[in-house]
Amino acid sequence: GAVVSQHPSWVICKSGTSVKIECRSLDFQATTMFWYRQFPKQSLMLMATSNEGSKATYEQGVEKDKFLINHASLTLSTLTVTSAHPEDSSFYICSARANRGWGYEQYFGPGTRLTVT
Amino acid sequence: KNQVEQSPQSLIILEGKNCTLQCNYTVSPFSNLRWYKQDTGRGPVSLTIMTFSENTKSNGRYTATLDADTKQSSLHITASQLSDSASYICVVGGNNAGNMLTFGGGTRLMVKP
Repeated sequence: GAVVSQHPSWVICKSGTSVKIECRSLDFQATTMFWYRQFPKQSLMLMATSNEGSKATYEQGVEKDKFLINHASLTLSTLTVTSAHPEDSSFYICSARANRGWGYEQYFGPGTRLTVT
Repeated sequence: KNQVEQSPQSLIILEGKNCTLQCNYTVSPFSNLRWYKQDTGRGPVSLTIMTFSENTKSNGRYTATLDADTKQSSLHITASQLSDSASYICVVGGNNAGNMLTFGGGTRLMVKP
């Protein structure tokens, strides 16, 4: 099956610093990628939809200036958490969409655990 | 409003037993329904995907059913194993611009020896 990777798998940073998370589709091209955040014992919450070559679409309540998304190529999207605060600590999961003819399949990355101290 | 409701929220069963997880949805227009397994600290992994015309689909010991009339789905796990301990998430795809997914809250399954 298709593979989506994320890097890093976990990161600890100090409050006020910025952190970049990469999401790559390894064996297919993805014009659309998604970024989710997941808090403990909760389901995934969509943060933004990233389209290659255009600006990301953010969900209501998600600050676009704080969570910068760049989808520079058909296989790479990045999420930068700027001026991170402890409340940004969470599990961030990306997903890449692949057109399968019958519809779209969505493959998830393994996630990135962010801890802000 | 598009919603996906799962039950139970959590479940504990003994190894070797069967179990069934439920999913009700109100997503419209409907395109497909997916079941994902998410291990703790990992991303979701697809188990099954069913479109409108499919009633059942199996993947090893996992069997999903779909009743598009009543907007219900179930995931049946046969002969559970310790490795089945995970969260199972029901996700419904809409047939609209963007083809967005609506996530259920998940069922946390624990299989005990």
